[in-house]
Amino acid sequence: DTGVSQDPRHKITKRGQNVTFRCDPISEHNRLYWYRQTLGQGPEFLTYFQNEAQLEKSRLLSDRFSAERPKGSFSTLEIQRTEQGDSAMYLCASSSTDRAVFNSPLHFGNGTRLTVT
Amino acid sequence: QKEVEQDPGPLSVPEGAIVSLNCTYSNSAFQYFMWYRQYSRKGPELLMYTYSSGNKEDGRFTAQVDKSSKYISLFIRDSQPSDSATYLCAMSAISTLTFGKGTMLLVSP
Repeated sequence: DTGVSQDPRHKITKRGQNVTFRCDPISEHNRLYWYRQTLGQGPEFLTYFQNEAQLEKSRLLSDRFSAERPKGSFSTLEIQRTEQGDSAMYLCASSSTDRAVFNSPLHFGNGTRLTVT
Repeated sequence: QKEVEQDPGPLSVPEGAIVSLNCTYSNSAFQYFMWYRQYSRKGPELLMYTYSSGNKEDGRFTAQVDKSSKYISLFIRDSQPSDSATYLCAMSAISTLTFGKGTMLLVSP
């Protein structure tokens, strides 16, 4: 079990640029989540996938944000036209599920820290 | 009112003390309750996971859930300097986790 892997660990970009982050979940996990965490706050839910299907998106996920999980394995989160307010830690988590019941806790990666200058 | 309230601290205790961390919540649909520990510049790490009301013990850690009061607690016995971290409560109704702000704990030798 290699855990949830996120790449890159840190990204610095200029305002207006596009950025893309990658997450590799634990191999047998079928659910994959994206969260955002700012300093002094707990993680806030952005979106989640069950296999390749994106099942839920938070209202925090503006149209500049898009997430994909094309083959039900790794996922990417893209932010277009970045703004300074996008500066945060972007966390990926995965879990396994039994039927439709949420009974498996989330396992988090170490995040990608985005700084928009 | 936020769905999950947690005192951000910091909470400073001497080594060996018993630590009590708490969260309150407003959504009565929450039925899965978790505690995560987060070290600086790392992702949250799952500590305890409970379903519905009651107590659960794992080593020096005890998690309590009181659904009637919408109150959950994490107790740490014989606290160690290595326990210094931010502790996040999290809870779920069906599919997504809602987190508290986290409480920063500092255990001094």
